Amino acid sequence: EPEVTQTPSHQVTQMGQEVILRCVPISNHLYFYWYRQILGQKVEFLVSFYNNEISEKSEIFDDQFSVERPDGSNFTLKIRSTKLEDSAMYFCASSGTISGALHFGNGTRLTVT
Amino acid sequence: GESVGLHLPTLSVQEGDNSIINCAYSNSASDYFIWYKQESGKGPQFIIDIRSNMDKRQGQRVTVLLNKTVKHLSLQIAATQPGDSAVYFCAENRNPMDSNYQLIWGAGTKLIIKP
Repeated sequence: EPEVTQTPSHQVTQMGQEVILRCVPISNHLYFYWYRQILGQKVEFLVSFYNNEISEKSEIFDDQFSVERPDGSNFTLKIRSTKLEDSAMYFCASSGTISGALHFGNGTRLTVT
Repeated sequence: GESVGLHLPTLSVQEGDNSIINCAYSNSASDYFIWYKQESGKGPQFIIDIRSNMDKRQGQRVTVLLNKTVKHLSLQIAATQPGDSAVYFCAENRNPMDSNYQLIWGAGTKLIIKP
């Protein structure tokens, strides 16, 4: 069964550094998402992406965040200058249709020290 | 404020029994609801979904019930197995018509299976 893959599984970075989290969505999907989950808390929506542009973003997704689909397969989340409170699990998801169920990757655990 | 939440943070059931996980939502305009299962160290895994024009939907060993009158959603797992141990999240779509949807997630219920 096709799956969403994310790399790396764990990323440790120092405060103020830039990080790029990578995702390969399911190949025929058109809608892409990033969510995050702070340890022990709810899953929170960050951003949705379709047709090479952001469709929606939450309050969390401020100017420090950006997304890109640099080629036909990858979907990346960049945090320009990480803060301690950015430490969380970051999940990429994709769906085949606007109303289809999301398929999630196994996440990247980001630890900011 | 608006929220999607679960009544119980932890549910313990005997292996072989049926499990019922509950969820309350507050936005009556939401039209799409999903249950996800999250095992330790993994991403959320889709279990079953339901649209607001239905009140019941069945999958393999799982049933989702939607009561729009009281804005309540439940997930029933039949004959619970050890592999069902996980955190279960309900999620709702709050942007049903206008744009790509963003899911609003509940807090999660941890399902523990007793042997």
